[in-house]
Amino acid sequence: AQSVTQLGSHVSVSEGALVLLRCNYSSSVPPYLFWYVQYPNQGLQLLLKYTSAATLVKGINDFEAEFKKSETSFHLTKPSAHMSDAAEYFCAVQNTGFQKLVFGTGTRLLVSP
Amino acid sequence: DTAVSQTPKYLVTQMGNDKSIKCEQNLGHDTMYWYKQDSKKFLKIMFSYNNKELIINETVPNRFSPKSPDKAHLNLHINSLELGDSAVYFCASSQASSGDEQFFGPGTRLTVL
Repeated sequence: AQSVTQLGSHVSVSEGALVLLRCNYSSSVPPYLFWYVQYPNQGLQLLLKYTSAATLVKGINDFEAEFKKSETSFHLTKPSAHMSDAAEYFCAVQNTGFQKLVFGTGTRLLVSP
Repeated sequence: DTAVSQTPKYLVTQMGNDKSIKCEQNLGHDTMYWYKQDSKKFLKIMFSYNNKELIINETVPNRFSPKSPDKAHLNLHINSLELGDSAVYFCASSQASSGDEQFFGPGTRLTVL
C-alpha cells in the first residue's frame, strides 16, 4: 500500500531563510506526487506536482521539489521564506490508475521575523 | 467564481442527528471526492465519484452515504452522528485522469456535541 511520511510536524525558519520540508513516499510503482498548502481555515491549494516529466518541479510562489527515485523522496524547498508562507504543507502520493490522494501527516511551517 | 463550493461552512449538531453537506463544482470535472480531516490535520479519502458512479469507497461507516445527482454535485449525508464524526470535510474535484490536480473546496467544519 502506498504511504507518505513527512518528517517533522513543525518546521521553524526565519524570514529570508531556506525552507526545506521533507517527504518520503512508499509505492510499488512510480507514483504521481503532489505538494499542497493549507492556510488557516481554508481548503488545500496545489503548490506543485510530479508526473514523471522533469524530476525538478517548479511550483507557485518560488517553491520547488525534486523527485529522487533512489531515495523515494520528494522534498519541498524555497530559497527565501516569507511571512506569508506560514501554513500547513501536505505531501501526497497517487498511484497511476488510481485517483485517490494519500496524504502525509502534514508539516506546519512557522516563519519568524 | 468559486470553483468548488461547499455548504454549510460550519455545522454544529447534537449526537444522533442526521445532517447533509453539499458540494458543487463549476470546473466541468468528471470526478469528485470527499476527504475527512481530523483534529490532527490528517486527511483521508472517504469516497470518489466519476460521472455519478461510485469508484472509491474507503472503510467508512455506512452511516455516511454520498450521493451524486449529476457530475457537478456530490453531497454527503451522515446518519446518527457520533462525537467521532467531528472533523473538517473537504470536497474536491478533478478530471478523470491520474496525475491531474484535485481542486479542493473550503471545507465544512462539523462539530458534534
